[in-house]
Amino acid sequence: DQQVKQNSPSLSVQEGRISILNCDYTNSMFDYFLWYKKYPAEGPTFLISISSIKDKNEDGRFTVFLNKSAKHLSLHIVPSQPGDSAVYFCAASRRGTGTASKLTFGTGTRLQVTL
Amino acid sequence: DTGVSQNPRHKITKRGQNVTFRCDPISEHNRLYWYRQTLGQGPEFLTYFQNEAQLEKSRLLSDRFSAERPKGSFSTLEIQRTEQGDSAMYLCASRELTANTEAFFGQGTRLTVV
Repeated sequence: DQQVKQNSPSLSVQEGRISILNCDYTNSMFDYFLWYKKYPAEGPTFLISISSIKDKNEDGRFTVFLNKSAKHLSLHIVPSQPGDSAVYFCAASRRGTGTASKLTFGTGTRLQVTL
Repeated sequence: DTGVSQNPRHKITKRGQNVTFRCDPISEHNRLYWYRQTLGQGPEFLTYFQNEAQLEKSRLLSDRFSAERPKGSFSTLEIQRTEQGDSAMYLCASRELTANTEAFFGQGTRLTVV
């Protein structure tokens, strides 16, 4: 049962353009969402997060949008740079006292930013 | 503190052997997690510690797997009688106890069972 889904395994975007990575979830108990970036042979690196009480969070070139009614979130990267080429994982968790706050990950989207 | 540290980075072992991995979390982080990632998949939760207490285990963690976190500092993950299906990247992450903080991951241990 894949509770977090990233339906696009790969995405290619030209340098300077916008990259949009999508993620869907099924578990309505999730209340905190994160994006991680991963290079080969390295662990995931935290990029940006959003709480379910918000619908947008911005950090520099990265913006995450959350649509709770659709159980959908997206990561926008603008402008895209060659160094952004990596695998991006969407993750969700349930926060709060007494919970493990473990992360449930999607299968990832490989982003390639071309010159 | 340079972040979450995992050792070894790579381990090749013969089927049936036991292996042990170590994770040193960020020093002030109470929470420590182990995940496993196989090819083409995202990391999957294995187990979680709050300080020295192991509070949750995934059903992915068979009887051959055991994890410890003595004194609430570093953690070890042991796999007994390894099988080829255990080949994966084993990731450790740590985070603070407060609610809305992210987990920081180590670089992982790549296990290959031959």
